[in-house]
Amino acid sequence: LAKTTQPISMDSYEGQEVNITCSHNNIATNDYITWYQQFPSQGPRFIIQGYKTKVTNEVASLFIPADRKSSTLSLPRVSLSDTAVYYCLVVTLGAGSYQLTFGKGTKLSVIP
Amino acid sequence: EAQVTQNPRYLITVTGKKLTVTCSQNMNHEYMSWYRQDPGLGLRQIYYSMNVEVTDKGDVPEGYKVSRKEKRNFPLILESPSPNQTSLYFCASSLSATRKNYGYTFGSGTRLTVV
Repeated sequence: LAKTTQPISMDSYEGQEVNITCSHNNIATNDYITWYQQFPSQGPRFIIQGYKTKVTNEVASLFIPADRKSSTLSLPRVSLSDTAVYYCLVVTLGAGSYQLTFGKGTKLSVIP
Repeated sequence: EAQVTQNPRYLITVTGKKLTVTCSQNMNHEYMSWYRQDPGLGLRQIYYSMNVEVTDKGDVPEGYKVSRKEKRNFPLILESPSPNQTSLYFCASSLSATRKNYGYTFGSGTRLTVV
C-alpha cells in the first residue's frame, strides 16, 4: 500500500484559494489518488479522484504531475464551511485483497 | 436517496455484553467496509467485504466480527466489547473494488461507549 504524507494543518482566509499537497512516493501503476473531506462527527465525503494530469469538478481540482509521486488538491475561494479535515488516499484497483487506508489528514481552518 | 444507514447512532454498553451495529446500503454496492476513528489515530479499517460471503480483515480486526449474507447489509459484531473499543465507527460502501473507483459513501457514524 502506498503511504501518503500531508501537512497536519493549514489556515486560510475566506475567499482565498487553498492548495493541499500530498506526497505518495511509492505509488504503483494501478493506483488512483482520491481525496475525502470530513466534518467533525460525520463520515468522510468523497471529493475528487484522479490518475494523472488534472481533474476538475464542481467542488475542487486535482493536479497530478507526470511522475505521480505527489498530488495537489485545490479548493477555489474557500468559505468558512470548508473548514474540515482533508484526506489524501492512494487506492489500488484490481482483483484480490483490497484495503482503503486513511492517513492523518490535513485540518484546514478557514478564518473570516 | 442513495445512502449508507448505520444504527444505532449512539450506544453505551457494558463490558462483555454482545452487541451488533447494523449497516445497510441501498445503492447495490459490491464493496462494504467498517472503520473506527479515534483521536490522534485517524480512521482505521476493521473489516471489508468485496461481495456477498467475501470478507477480509483490515488493519484492526481484533475483537470484531462481520458477516455479509446479503449485498445490502454488513453488520459489525462485538462479541465481548471492552473499553478499548470505545470509538466512533463508520460504515462505507463503494460500487466496486475491482474496477475504477467511484468513491466511497460513508454512513453517519455510530458513537460507541463501553464502560
